Amino acid sequence: SQTIHQWPATLVQPVGSPLSLECTVEGTSNPNLYWYRQAAGRGLQLLFYSVGIGQISSEVPQNLSASRPQDRQFILSSKKLLLSDSGFYLCAWRVQADSGNTIYFGEGSWLTVV
Amino acid sequence: GQNIDQPTEMTATEGAIVQINCTYQTSGFNGLFWYQQHAGEAPTFLSYNVLDGLEEKGRFSSFLSRSKGYSYLLLKELQMKDSASYLCAVSDSNYQLIWGAGTKLIIKP
Repeated sequence: SQTIHQWPATLVQPVGSPLSLECTVEGTSNPNLYWYRQAAGRGLQLLFYSVGIGQISSEVPQNLSASRPQDRQFILSSKKLLLSDSGFYLCAWRVQADSGNTIYFGEGSWLTVV
Repeated sequence: GQNIDQPTEMTATEGAIVQINCTYQTSGFNGLFWYQQHAGEAPTFLSYNVLDGLEEKGRFSSFLSRSKGYSYLLLKELQMKDSASYLCAVSDSNYQLIWGAGTKLIIKP
């Protein structure tokens, strides 16, 4: 069966510090991978998605970046965090962007920028 | 533009029935998803509709009308553990998911 894992689960970072969130998927090949952010009481905002190694699409201009160094690994990074980067970050995967294919989420990472 | 509308919050009583509505305007339609999200946790998949009609899965049912751009999630025999946010998402013409802001459901004893 397929599993998705992301880490760290919680982190508190000072403004201007770097960020690295990691996500791995097991039990499937060439998945579509996603990074979402959810601000408190708000909906899901798509940040990045990837259909293959090295292929990253950015949905929202910001100081965040994403990389996919391996087929089942997706990394969200920042060189300098802003207060507005605080939120709940979710990694997700999907077999492929096709009708009926469900998207599955990792456990989530709570980021507080202070 | 693309838009998904759901009520922000609803309150219901334990043991009762509640219907959460979702209306959408998207560029194309390739199905509609419902997810449940407990506070502080990741969303989990509940249902998928691509054809008009009602899909039943235990205490939960989901309905779709493509001509009206409308769906609802029906929860029966409500339990306290059903207190959560319920997210509606539509797969558009490019199979990208457009998400609603979610409906927070509060269950009272």
